[in-house]
Amino acid sequence: QVQLVESGGGVVQPGGSLRLSCAASGFTFSSYGMHWVRQAPGKGLEWVAFIRYDGSNKYYADSVKGRFTISRDNSKNTLYLQMNSLRAEDTAVYYCAKDLRLAAAGTDYFDYWGQGTLVTVSS
Amino acid sequence: EIVLTQSPATLSLSPGERATLSCRASQSVSSYLAWYQQKPGQAPRLLIYDASNRATGIPARFSGSGSGTDFTLTISSLEPEDFAVYYCQQRSNWPPGNTFGQGTKLEIK
Repeated sequence: QVQLVESGGGVVQPGGSLRLSCAASGFTFSSYGMHWVRQAPGKGLEWVAFIRYDGSNKYYADSVKGRFTISRDNSKNTLYLQMNSLRAEDTAVYYCAKDLRLAAAGTDYFDYWGQGTLVTVSS
Repeated sequence: EIVLTQSPATLSLSPGERATLSCRASQSVSSYLAWYQQKPGQAPRLLIYDASNRATGIPARFSGSGSGTDFTLTISSLEPEDFAVYYCQQRSNWPPGNTFGQGTKLEIK
């Protein structure tokens, strides 16, 4: 069965950095685009970033562009999110999510999600 | 950037009733729209994609319709487990990315 397990969350000071990981299993990771989606406490969902199945294309929400970097290691079945210059408004549960369709050319919908990892930006 | 506006913000209904949730896009998204259900403390679950296709394992009481800028999620007869928050989401090739609506909370009356 498909499993996505996020890790790396925690408390960080404003201006600091953090790297999130998402370990994938139960499907051919190298054949699916992957996303990060976040949810601030008590708020709605916000799409953060996408990486194509082969890593050739990456897209970001305007709110994180230039500060966050999405990457993947298909040999390790792992997705990453490097977060720099963190702000209080980046405080959220961060989910990794899998594209619905195999080798989608662009972004797609999300059919499997991890359980999320909490990032708190506070002094 | 495409903005999705969901209405109503909160919908109060009883089990057995029909629920109709709306999602309006600021510009046409063709049929590139999905619906998700989220319960407290859980990750969202994909219900409908491409406006009207039910995802794997989703009961037939859930249906989606619409195209262009106006979309509807209908739950034909509410079960107790359907009370949750529902989000619509669009996928766009240009500018590339995804956006969510602000959500509709479906609560027990």
